[in-house]
Amino acid sequence: GESVGLHLPTLSVQEGDNSIINCAYSNSASDYFIWYKQESGKGPQFIIDIRSNMDKRQGQRVTVLLNKTVKHLSLQIAATQPGDSAVYFCAENEPPRNNAGNMLTFGGGTRLMVKP
Amino acid sequence: NAGVMQNPRHLVRRRGQEARLRCSPMKGHSHVYWYRQLPEEGLKFMVYLQKENIIDESGMPKERFSAEFPKEGPSILRIQQVVRGDSAAYFCASSPLGGDTEAFFGQGTRLTVV
Repeated sequence: GESVGLHLPTLSVQEGDNSIINCAYSNSASDYFIWYKQESGKGPQFIIDIRSNMDKRQGQRVTVLLNKTVKHLSLQIAATQPGDSAVYFCAENEPPRNNAGNMLTFGGGTRLMVKP
Repeated sequence: NAGVMQNPRHLVRRRGQEARLRCSPMKGHSHVYWYRQLPEEGLKFMVYLQKENIIDESGMPKERFSAEFPKEGPSILRIQQVVRGDSAAYFCASSPLGGDTEAFFGQGTRLTVV
C-alpha cells in the first residue's frame, strides 16, 4: 500500500530470539509478493518471495506467511542476528498488468533492531 | 558476476540544472525498472523499460522526467530543471524476464538538489 512519510515502525529484538515482521498489502488481486531487506545506504536485497497459490514458504532462517483472506503477509526470522538489523519491506506485484512486467508496490517498511 | 551498477552514487545539483542517472543491468537482463525512495519511505515505481522501449511509465511525472534504455549502453533516467522536491534516492532494478520473477536492485543514486 501507500506509505505516508511517517517514521518507520521499529521492532527491537534480542539476539537469538525470533522476529516477526508484518505487512498489510493493498490489492486483493495481487498474486506475487516479495520481502526485501534494506541496509542503510544500500539498495533493497531480495530475501524471499511467495505466490498467491501458497500460504507458506520457507528459506534459510526465514519463513513467509501469506493470509489472503485478510491481505496480510508476515516475515519470520529465526535466531535473529545483529546482521539482520535493517529496514524490511514487503512488496506486491499488482494486476492488472497488460505488459507482463514486474512492477512492484512497496509497503512502508519496518526497522528491525537486534540487540546483542 | 557484477550486479546492477548505478552511477553516480551521489549527485548534487542546483535548482534548474539537469540530473542524469545511469543504470547498467545485470548481464543478460533486458528488463529495467526505476524506483524513487524518499527518506523513511518505501520505494515508488516510476518506469519499466526493455531494450529501446518504454513499457510502462505510469509512475513517472509527466513533466521534466524521461527515461531510456538504448540498444547499447546503460539505461538513463533524466530529470530536467530539478527542484528541491526531486531530492531522493533513485534505484534501478533489472530482471532477465518480465512477470513474477526476482528483480535485483542496484545501490541507488542519491540526488540532492540545493
